[in-house]
Amino acid sequence: SQQGEEDPQALSIQEGENATMNCSYKTSINNLQWYRQNSGRGLVHLILIRSNEREKHSGRLRVTLDTSKKSSSLLITASRAADTASYFCATSAHSTLTFGKGTMLLVSP
Amino acid sequence: DTEVTQTPKHLVMGMTNKKSLKCEQHMGHRAMYWYKQKAKKPPELMFVYSYEKLSINESVPSRFSPECPNSSLLNLHLHALQPEDSALYLCASSLKLGDRTNGYTFGSGTRLTVV
Repeated sequence: SQQGEEDPQALSIQEGENATMNCSYKTSINNLQWYRQNSGRGLVHLILIRSNEREKHSGRLRVTLDTSKKSSSLLITASRAADTASYFCATSAHSTLTFGKGTMLLVSP
Repeated sequence: DTEVTQTPKHLVMGMTNKKSLKCEQHMGHRAMYWYKQKAKKPPELMFVYSYEKLSINESVPSRFSPECPNSSLLNLHLHALQPEDSALYLCASSLKLGDRTNGYTFGSGTRLTVV
């Protein structure tokens, strides 16, 4: 069953702008992960944040987690055209990952 | 080697055909997964193998038959599929089932079309 729900469903920005995507989930989790998918191909793991962490950075990515609100956000700073992709949050509760519906990000040059 | 390799990349099969999808990783990961993804939808879990044993079957129809011959290989055998089974089939692996510190590594997928 689906766990995460991303918001917005689609986001269109200009190069150099920041992109923020949100994810809400329903049950307790061990960790929350973000993945990127280009053109319906394989998913690429971007970042993992554990349930006892509140913020994590990796390059131009910043992830926050609020377990009290059961929500997470992914911020991509100084976006590039190459960041155009679908972004999925995925929650790990027991032993497997459950993916949200995803946000389609379009970065225009 | 930090990749999951899936073959073939594209497959067109008739409803009476038998075909197999293959997945291979040499990262020493002991958990492997099959996901199905329809267009503009998130991946949905089908099967999970842990230490070459089937751990989870998400009520997948028997026309899909997984197999894990060894710790590096995962197959998905297809038989008597329906057009609605057309989708992107993704294989993934992780260090172990329930790993709380590392993400999954996904292959590029097999685009399956059933005619």
